[in-house]
Amino acid sequence: GAGVSQTPSNKVTEKGKYVELRCDPISGHTALYWYRQSLGQGPEFLIYFQGTGAADDSGLPNDRFFAVRPEGSVSTLKIQRTERGDSAMYLCASSPDSSGANVLTFGAGSRLTVL
Amino acid sequence: AQKITQTQPGMFVQEKEAVTLDCTYDTSDPSYGLFWYKQPSSGEMIFLIYQGSYDQQNATEGRYSLNFQKARKSANLVISASQLGDSAMYFCAMREPHSGGGADGLTFGKGTHLIIQP
Repeated sequence: GAGVSQTPSNKVTEKGKYVELRCDPISGHTALYWYRQSLGQGPEFLIYFQGTGAADDSGLPNDRFFAVRPEGSVSTLKIQRTERGDSAMYLCASSPDSSGANVLTFGAGSRLTVL
Repeated sequence: AQKITQTQPGMFVQEKEAVTLDCTYDTSDPSYGLFWYKQPSSGEMIFLIYQGSYDQQNATEGRYSLNFQKARKSANLVISASQLGDSAMYFCAMREPHSGGGADGLTFGKGTHLIIQP
């Protein structure tokens, strides 16, 4: 596609529920990144994929968070047993590869609200 | 220590004036990249400008320029002739090499909320 697409744009769920957030990167981009942005803060790194494999998952806050990219294109961020503190904007970005000068192109984000 | 520091939580600037948004960074790696992104109220992160650590010249992109002072570890964004549409959050970010090859994702600062007044 022309840009990075994220769905849903908004998700409201109850505490304890399971949530999946989807990211469709720019076609041909091999590197894909997930970030979490709380209100009034900068984006915080969660995980990045180079191809199908997670190259760095050091930003995932705990084992309730998991992400996959089985075919090296679309990625899904999965959150189990959601907590109110998980409420945030979840941003996905992609770049042609993981070399340093490549610009990350971001999607519009998925806003998660946990009641 | 914070890797990216943006000391101006908010700024008010008159339309058509130039504005400088401050950013300092912390890294021990000689190879890194510095980025500025704009985030309007719609929420999407928009890339503005990039500076590589080995670049000899300061980066420029239209009305945006980056005042890169390597010895001071400073990468300030300068917006010339500000416009009402420049009102947004602005984030400075850094990218460092990944231990396994390639580069890490971006590390962002807390941002500066810029408001352009008519």
